[in-house]
Amino acid sequence: EIVLTQSPGTLSLSPGERATLSCRASQTISSDFLAWYQLKPGQAPRLVIYHASTRPADIPDRFSGSGSGTDFTLTISRLEPEDFAVYICQLYGYSPLFTFGPGTTVVIK
Amino acid sequence: QVTLKESGPTLIKPTQTLTLTCTFSGFSLTTDGVGVAWIRQPPGKDLEWLGNIYWDNDKRYTPSLESRVTITKDISKNEVVLTMTDMDPADTATYYCAHRCSSGRCFDYWGQGALVTVSA
Repeated sequence: EIVLTQSPGTLSLSPGERATLSCRASQTISSDFLAWYQLKPGQAPRLVIYHASTRPADIPDRFSGSGSGTDFTLTISRLEPEDFAVYICQLYGYSPLFTFGPGTTVVIK
Repeated sequence: QVTLKESGPTLIKPTQTLTLTCTFSGFSLTTDGVGVAWIRQPPGKDLEWLGNIYWDNDKRYTPSLESRVTITKDISKNEVVLTMTDMDPADTATYYCAHRCSSGRCFDYWGQGALVTVSA
């Protein structure tokens, strides 16, 4: 089973700052199989990046994804108040078919 | 506009069977490639994929829960139903249903989730 780890566990930043979140897989994976979600309490989770670097049409361009092999990054270029949330990476295609990381919480400093 | 909403009991006793319903709109589970998943998140723990059901009635389950989980669909009602047997306090979680991305590799629309507590 491939395990996803995310770092840091918590990221404390101010609005306007840049956020860099890491997702690491325990073995090499295809970048086509890596997605990122934003979670807020009481709300439906939101897909922010798929195929490691593709942004859905409704996601602002301050969100970007990159990476390959075992190391992937979600970057939020300039944090807006609504971006403070938990971000979770997700892997497709192994066993189990979908695996999620533990998440990074982005909090207001 | 795609929407999904989970409904069902908020409290269930150990050993009972959980039945949750996902009512959706904005897509059809008869369209090629469409799939709906059930995913859960216990308090303080990671998200866990439970299983998918597809337009052709194919189903996939997470191996660790395959003996306890069944997912079915009712096309006439635009519903997907999760059944989980022999519930345990460790199954206390927020349960989500989600629409599978067209690539099949992610979930592009989710419900808000339903908290289910297992307690005597």
